[in-house]
Amino acid sequence: DQQVKQNSPSLSVQEGRISILNCDYTNSMFDYFLWYKKYPAEGPTFLISISSIKDKNEDGRFTVFLNKSAKHLSLHIVPSQPGDSAVYFCAASDVSSNTGKLIFGQGTTLQVKP
Amino acid sequence: KAGVTQTPRYLIKTRGQQVTLSCSPISGHRSVSWYQQTPGQGLQFLFEYFSETQRNKGNFPGRFSGRQFSNSRSEMNVSTLELGDSALYLCASSIPTADTQYFGPGTRLTVL
Repeated sequence: DQQVKQNSPSLSVQEGRISILNCDYTNSMFDYFLWYKKYPAEGPTFLISISSIKDKNEDGRFTVFLNKSAKHLSLHIVPSQPGDSAVYFCAASDVSSNTGKLIFGQGTTLQVKP
Repeated sequence: KAGVTQTPRYLIKTRGQQVTLSCSPISGHRSVSWYQQTPGQGLQFLFEYFSETQRNKGNFPGRFSGRQFSNSRSEMNVSTLELGDSALYLCASSIPTADTQYFGPGTRLTVL
């Protein structure tokens, strides 16, 4: 049972345009969500997070939106840059359970074309 | 502040052997989690340690074990290696009262 899903394996956008990466989850106990960026053979790099008490969080070019009723979150990157090309993972956790466990989606490969 | 470090970065073993991987968390981080990444299964949670105690374990066989030392450094051990254990093993650390995990570069294990 995949509790966190990223239904788009890949996304290609033009430099300067907006990139929108999507993520759906099924477990209503999840209350903290994160986005990571990953290059091959490297560890994931933390980008941005959001708590379930918020519906939006911004950090520079990155904005994460959370729609709890739809159990959906998205990452917006504006403007997209070629250096943003990587695999993006969304992850979720049930903070109240205090397990130190993140559940990851399968990842979306973003390609930003110059 | 130095990031999470993992050693070794690359490892080649043969079936039946055992392996130990090491992780040093960010200074001040007392929680360490381990994950396995494979092309087919993605990133899967192995276990988490805090204050030298395993608080949670993922759905992996008992061949996978770990421990944490008093300085928060952690090791994971895989015994009786199988071909399917070939993967990138990632360690992440966090402050237990915060929820963001920061990952190390990983150890690439190849089992022949």
